[in-house]
Amino acid sequence: DTGVSQNPRHKITKRGQNVTFRCDPISEHNRLYWYRQTLGQGPEFLTYFQNEAQLEKSRLLSDRFSAERPKGSFSTLEIQRTEQGDSAMYLCASSLAHNPDRDLRFNEQFFGPGTRLTVL
Amino acid sequence: AQKITQTQPGMFVQEKEAVTLDCTYDTSDPSYGLFWYKQPSSGEMIFLIYQGSYDQQNATEGRYSLNFQKARKSANLVISASQLGDSAMYFCAMREGQGAGRRALTFGSGTRLQVQP
Repeated sequence: DTGVSQNPRHKITKRGQNVTFRCDPISEHNRLYWYRQTLGQGPEFLTYFQNEAQLEKSRLLSDRFSAERPKGSFSTLEIQRTEQGDSAMYLCASSLAHNPDRDLRFNEQFFGPGTRLTVL
Repeated sequence: AQKITQTQPGMFVQEKEAVTLDCTYDTSDPSYGLFWYKQPSSGEMIFLIYQGSYDQQNATEGRYSLNFQKARKSANLVISASQLGDSAMYFCAMREGQGAGRRALTFGSGTRLQVQP
């Protein structure tokens, strides 16, 4: 399977605990995105990487959230001191970097299956 | 203002009929792309179709077509010959800009489509 993979698929934790999720992008993709999706809503952008550089963070990404992509391949998203409001599906997507000479379609994002977090 | 608006929380369609899912968008950037994704109950986002802001023709991908009306800023998804497996959430999304800057997608709130036998 050469798609985007995420682990774990489900995580149940108690409020105040730390959790870490992993995303493995499609191997040749140098861009990696994290989104959060709450029930009944569309995904919301959290952050993205080009190779190992974190190029943008959404205002949704509070100080309790940190993301890394140390070698430009897989990425981790850590949430410290979880709160019940953190309960959501965390989606990872990957794409090739945008080439301004190419149509935006070239930079199609492929999504992983997501990690569903439940904070009790 | 919301960048992507999907005004239909839920839609029903009979099997084999066509259905249109609405999407309007808001951007001041002349270069943008519009995407439709399908999200079945399993949770994975599945890419369906793409329309670029400079595309002259409406995009088509099999049973999916995009009714792109640039002046109205609408990008409605048309699914022809609905199948039971089309029952899912459908999200419209936009990516803005051709130059440097964020490349993330902005999503609407989705439409839940239920195909009835």
